[in-house]
Amino acid sequence: GENVEQHPSTLSVQEGDSAVIKCTYSDSASNYFPWYKQELGKRPQLIIDIRSNVGEKKDQRIAVTLNKTAKHFSLHITETQPEDSAVYFCAATSGGYQKVTFGTGTKLQVIP
Amino acid sequence: ETGVTQSPTHLIKTRGQQVTLRCSSQSGHNTVSWYQQALGQGPQFIFQYYREEENGRGNFPPRFSGLQFPNYSSELNVNALELDDSALYLCASSSVTGGSGGYTFGSGTRLTVV
Repeated sequence: GENVEQHPSTLSVQEGDSAVIKCTYSDSASNYFPWYKQELGKRPQLIIDIRSNVGEKKDQRIAVTLNKTAKHFSLHITETQPEDSAVYFCAATSGGYQKVTFGTGTKLQVIP
Repeated sequence: ETGVTQSPTHLIKTRGQQVTLRCSSQSGHNTVSWYQQALGQGPQFIFQYYREEENGRGNFPPRFSGLQFPNYSSELNVNALELDDSALYLCASSSVTGGSGGYTFGSGTRLTVV
């Protein structure tokens, strides 16, 4: 089955700096890669996603890149703000039934 | 309001007991997936239901079972509870439209087994 690895597990940045979280996946058939943000005690919320036919996608301060050949994808947050502090999960979707495999999460702390 | 509701929000059970968790999917979504999230971990796929049938299963024993109803709501049943079953159980709904799409998660049920 699919295996998704994510790093770093924790990341501290100064407010205004950029943050980068990287993930790798194992199943070459995976074709959809969502990113979720989970604040303490709350549900995961989809923040951005990318499909396998696209190499990069941007939404305001958030961007995601995908390298299908190398089977890795990354989340980039620019101009970080304290409210960006949360746990971020990458995920990969494979199989006809949309099974989503999550990474182990990155705890991002933005220091004011 | 995301439209995915789960009940109950919190639950305490004794080892060996059985539990039923409930989920109402978002309007227009016909697929429900259940995940177990232990403290400090990522969500782990339990199974998915589509058209009232199990449509994929993760690495969970048979004592984890489920149902989906004609209105697309779903139940997760866990028998013979073990201490390690203590976790946040998340339900996510999605729409199978011929392509992959993001999940909408419910707020979860926090299960504590003592």
